[in-house]
Amino acid sequence: QSVLTQPPSASGTPGQRVTISCSGSSSNIGRDIVSWYQQFPGTAPKLLIDSNNQRPSGVPDRFSGSKSGMSASLAISGLQSEDEADYYCASWDGSLNGWLFGGGTKLTVL
Amino acid sequence: QVQLQQSGPGLAKPSQTLSLTCAISGDSVSSNSAAWNWIRQSPSRGLEWLGRTYYRSKWYNEYVVSVKSRITINPDTSKNQFSLQLKFVTPEDTAVYYCARTHSGRVDIWGQGTLVTVSS
Repeated sequence: QSVLTQPPSASGTPGQRVTISCSGSSSNIGRDIVSWYQQFPGTAPKLLIDSNNQRPSGVPDRFSGSKSGMSASLAISGLQSEDEADYYCASWDGSLNGWLFGGGTKLTVL
Repeated sequence: QVQLQQSGPGLAKPSQTLSLTCAISGDSVSSNSAAWNWIRQSPSRGLEWLGRTYYRSKWYNEYVVSVKSRITINPDTSKNQFSLQLKFVTPEDTAVYYCARTHSGRVDIWGQGTLVTVSS
C-alpha cells in the first residue's frame, strides 16, 4: 500500500487538459520536493518532472507540475495519444528515511 | 551520459538469495553527489524503494524496514558498479528489479529492469 495516494486511472480526449493528483503527508511531500515519472509497458520509468515543477531537457512543455502543502499535481495539456502511459509521483520521506512512490495512475487517451 | 546496465539471473528458488549487479557508465559509484539505489515493481506492491548506497567521505547504506534483515547493497569501486543481495526470498519477492541513481533530490537515471521470478 503506497503512502503517496494517486487516483488509479485518468482519461481524456486528444487536445484536452488532464491533471493527476498525488497526496502525501508532512513527512514527505510536505517537507520535500516531488518528482513525476512516466512509464510505458515493459520499460523503466522516465523522469518527467523534478523539483516539483522542473522539466528535464527533452520533456515537452505540455507537461507541468505543481505542489501545495502536502499535495502535488501533474498536468498534461494538449493531450496526445502518445501520452497514454502510467504516471507515478515520488518524494523522499524523512520519517521512513526512504523514497516513496505513488501507486500510479493509468492515463487513457480516448 | 549516465547509463546503468543491470545483470543477473531472472530466476531464484524460494529460501535462496537473489543477486543482481548494476554497472555504471558516465558517473562514479564513489560520487559525492549521487546515491545508488535498488527499486522493485510488482502488481501487488507497485514501485517499492529497497535501499541505497552512497559515499560522503565514507560509505553509507540505507534500507527499507520491510526487507532490512534480508538485504545487502554493496558498492564495487574497482568495477564501478553496485550489487543487490536479497536473502531468503519467497514468491512475494517476484518483481521487476531496477537499479537507479538519485541525484539532486530525484531518481533521474534507471536501469533497464530485470524480472526476477521466485519459484521452485
